[in-house]
Amino acid sequence: EAQVTQNPRYLITVTGKKLTVTCSQNMNHEYMSWYRQDPGLGLRQIYYSMNVEVTDKGDVPEGYKVSRKEKRNFPLILESPSPNQTSLYFCASRDRGYEQYFGPGTRLTVT
Amino acid sequence: AQSVSQHNHHVILSEAASLELGCNYSYGGTVNLFWYVQYPGQHLQLLLKYFSGDPLVKGIKGFEAEFIKSKFSFNLRKPSVQWSDTAEYFCAFRPGGYQKVTFGIGTKLQVIP
Repeated sequence: EAQVTQNPRYLITVTGKKLTVTCSQNMNHEYMSWYRQDPGLGLRQIYYSMNVEVTDKGDVPEGYKVSRKEKRNFPLILESPSPNQTSLYFCASRDRGYEQYFGPGTRLTVT
Repeated sequence: AQSVSQHNHHVILSEAASLELGCNYSYGGTVNLFWYVQYPGQHLQLLLKYFSGDPLVKGIKGFEAEFIKSKFSFNLRKPSVQWSDTAEYFCAFRPGGYQKVTFGIGTKLQVIP
């Protein structure tokens, strides 16, 4: 089954404790991205990757890092999380027709 | 700057009512347009998309959208909504020649039985 998976689905952490949210897709898509969803702000792109070892900033990259060492994986790293990063995070991969396939989401709470 | 706006942030309808959700984009060239739906507690799924050709696009679950180039609009419609259509709807667009897809802030639709 074609899908995008994310882990963990829910995470509560404390300020400053490094965390990684994993994302994996099995559709051989080259393009992947991370979004955060906040009430009243919709989806905002954090980072995207055009292919292995090619990443770039989206609209709200501050406080986040990504890496793309393999085509299928695109982890999101928060080196020092802060409360303003409390949000719902979605990973997505995209086919050549620009249709995006979203993961199930990760609800992150930073206290 | 390229942007997409959704005019209605929260819509409440009774079952069987007709639906139209507005979406406008700002870009002068060719565009690809999308509508995504997010059911409560779930991830976003594609409802329909427009790339070229017939400006009236039909999607899943009885939804359709019309691309009106002169109005920079891509409004979503459904003749008769059901309770199961309760969800948040996002318009998105990609300017031609660019990789990035920009999403609107979403419209929450609540359908009352």
